[in-house]
Amino acid sequence: KNEVEQSPQNLTAQEGEFITINCSYSVGISALHWLQQHPGGGIVSLFMLSSGKKKHGRLIATINIQEKHSSLHITASHPRDSAVYICAVYKAAGNKLTFGGGTRVLVKP
Amino acid sequence: ETGVTQTPRHLVMGMTNKKSLKCEQHLGHNAMYWYKQSAKKPLELMFVYSLEERVENNSVPSRFSPECPNSSHLFLHLHTLQPEDSALYLCASSQDLTTSWDTQYFGPGTRLTVL
Repeated sequence: KNEVEQSPQNLTAQEGEFITINCSYSVGISALHWLQQHPGGGIVSLFMLSSGKKKHGRLIATINIQEKHSSLHITASHPRDSAVYICAVYKAAGNKLTFGGGTRVLVKP
Repeated sequence: ETGVTQTPRHLVMGMTNKKSLKCEQHLGHNAMYWYKQSAKKPLELMFVYSLEERVENNSVPSRFSPECPNSSHLFLHLHTLQPEDSALYLCASSQDLTTSWDTQYFGPGTRLTVL
């Protein structure tokens, strides 16, 4: 079992729908990253958070340290949001960054 | 327009070849990273450099040799690779290597195919 599990693996939504992607991890962490990878490979770092909630445009990321769980929400989804969303957790002990397997999101017009 | 560029974007090489991947960042960052992304596998962090010194080497085979001549440039030298090394190699940079891994800016990647 991976230290970082994402769900769902694949998600298809209609334009305008609210999307939630989940990330669960099994170890204590210092911080969690959400990344977005578009077709062709380009990766954008969306959020780095260690507690609470962050918002950027239509994207919202939350983390619950006690429950070892984070969610990424996309409000009013748009076809340009179609990408793979990757969760990564950082552990200070060992200075290690571990990635989830990604969630492939397709937003249809 | 990304501040991190990678060349070449595509590379096909034989197992006996020697090639190098280049990464350049124009952001004034102090930390740079090499990642490997294989098909259907999570991203793997390969190497981390901070202020031109290697601070992380995640059990990467010696056929991959990184080089960071200055804070703006990062190379990955490849030698006698295996077909299973075919992957997307991504470079990233961040302002500093803090204990929480600062927000990283990624390059477009080099898609490597080893025949």
